Amino acid sequence: EVQLVESGGGLVQPGRSLRLSCAASGFTFDDYAMHWVRQAPGKGLEWVSGISWNSGSIGYADSVKGRFTISRDNAKNSLYLQMNSLRAEDTALYYCAKDNDGRPTGEIDYWGQGTLVTVSS
Amino acid sequence: EIVLTQSPGTLSLSPGERATLSCRASQSVSSSYLAWYQQKPGQAPRLLIYGASSRATGIPDRFSGSGSGTDFTLTISRLEPEDFAVYYCQQYGSSTQLTFGPGTKVDIK
Repeated sequence: EVQLVESGGGLVQPGRSLRLSCAASGFTFDDYAMHWVRQAPGKGLEWVSGISWNSGSIGYADSVKGRFTISRDNAKNSLYLQMNSLRAEDTALYYCAKDNDGRPTGEIDYWGQGTLVTVSS
Repeated sequence: EIVLTQSPGTLSLSPGERATLSCRASQSVSSSYLAWYQQKPGQAPRLLIYGASSRATGIPDRFSGSGSGTDFTLTISRLEPEDFAVYYCQQYGSSTQLTFGPGTKVDIK
């Protein structure tokens, strides 16, 4: 059974940093691309970033480019999102999600339950 | 960046009725790399349709997808009580930027 468990969310002040983690199990992690997708309270889904199986291909939404960094550790079956210079508009539930392909350009076939990030003073 | 528009914003129907949801892209979606997701309150999204018309594993056949180019449709042939939810389309396959549509809420009339 595929499991994606996010952690690292919390309350943080504007301008500060936070690092999200996602522990994956139930599939061959280093065969697949992974994504972070967020959802602000009461709003729709927004793709944040994606990374290929070997970290060779990475993409970011324009809204986070230059502030967020995605990475993965295949030896630890883990995905990360380093978030710097956080803004109030980054407040959202952050989902870790599995791609159905090795490149971050396939459909998303599994999702975690999300970790909540709140940016407020 | 491809922008997706979904209509209507809200669809009010009764159980047993047919639901037709639309997703329009600002430019052609390559090789029909268009997916549909269902999200219920308090839950993560669930993949329904990929490649514009292929059902994901375990998805009932009352869900079907169609379309190509810039116009896509999700049809639910007969609404079951558990189908009342928000539905998102998503494009993929082009570059490394994915985009979601704003969603269509299907609620009980």
